[in-house]
Amino acid sequence: AQSVAQPEDQVNVAEGNPLTVKCTYSVSGNPYLFWYVQYPNRGLQFLLKYITGDNLVKGSYGFEAEFNKSQTSFHLKKPSALVSDSALYFCAVRAPHGSSNTGKLIFGQGTTLQVKP
Amino acid sequence: GAVVSQHPSWVICKSGTSVKIECRSLDFQATTMFWYRQFPKQSLMLMATSNEGSKATYEQGVEKDKFLINHASLTLSTLTVTSAHPEDSSFYICSARGRAGGQTLGWMTDEKLFFGSGTQLSVL
Repeated sequence: AQSVAQPEDQVNVAEGNPLTVKCTYSVSGNPYLFWYVQYPNRGLQFLLKYITGDNLVKGSYGFEAEFNKSQTSFHLKKPSALVSDSALYFCAVRAPHGSSNTGKLIFGQGTTLQVKP
Repeated sequence: GAVVSQHPSWVICKSGTSVKIECRSLDFQATTMFWYRQFPKQSLMLMATSNEGSKATYEQGVEKDKFLINHASLTLSTLTVTSAHPEDSSFYICSARGRAGGQTLGWMTDEKLFFGSGTQLSVL
């Protein structure tokens, strides 16, 4: 069965420091991987995705993520955090076509990022 | 860009009453609508998938008679929580994929899986 794990409930960083939000996945075949951000009382906003190609993908608001097949990870990163980056971040995986979960997004439990001035 | 409008943002109701949540796609046709439920500090759990004009497909463990989903048009899907109880209190989010101007949105790669802003339901 496909699954996504975000091992940290919360990540605290100081403004200007680099940040990493961790995500590992389990899926048969080649995964489609996503990161979404959720601000309070708002819906999810797409940040970036990995489908194929370069392992380092760049997304919105200066975020990037690195796909590591051997470690089955897709950690979200940003070189310099901003206070406005404080939000809830979700990693998600979609099983490729042909699997039993085709078309469904499976979300991790979310990681709260707190950036302090 | 395409937008999904979800209403109400929050609702408080008495136990035993029914609550309807609406999701409308603005400037695109939502051929598929997904309904999620989110508990505090937990992930989004897919409840059901609905395609316009057909019955919703519910995930295992989700009571279809409890959570009625209607997707009668390409721009509107509703989730009705029937006979709500305190354990139904949660954050409900819809998301949609579809087409606009002949272009298919979010069909293959889901980055254009547009999300509503969510509805916080509190059942007293």
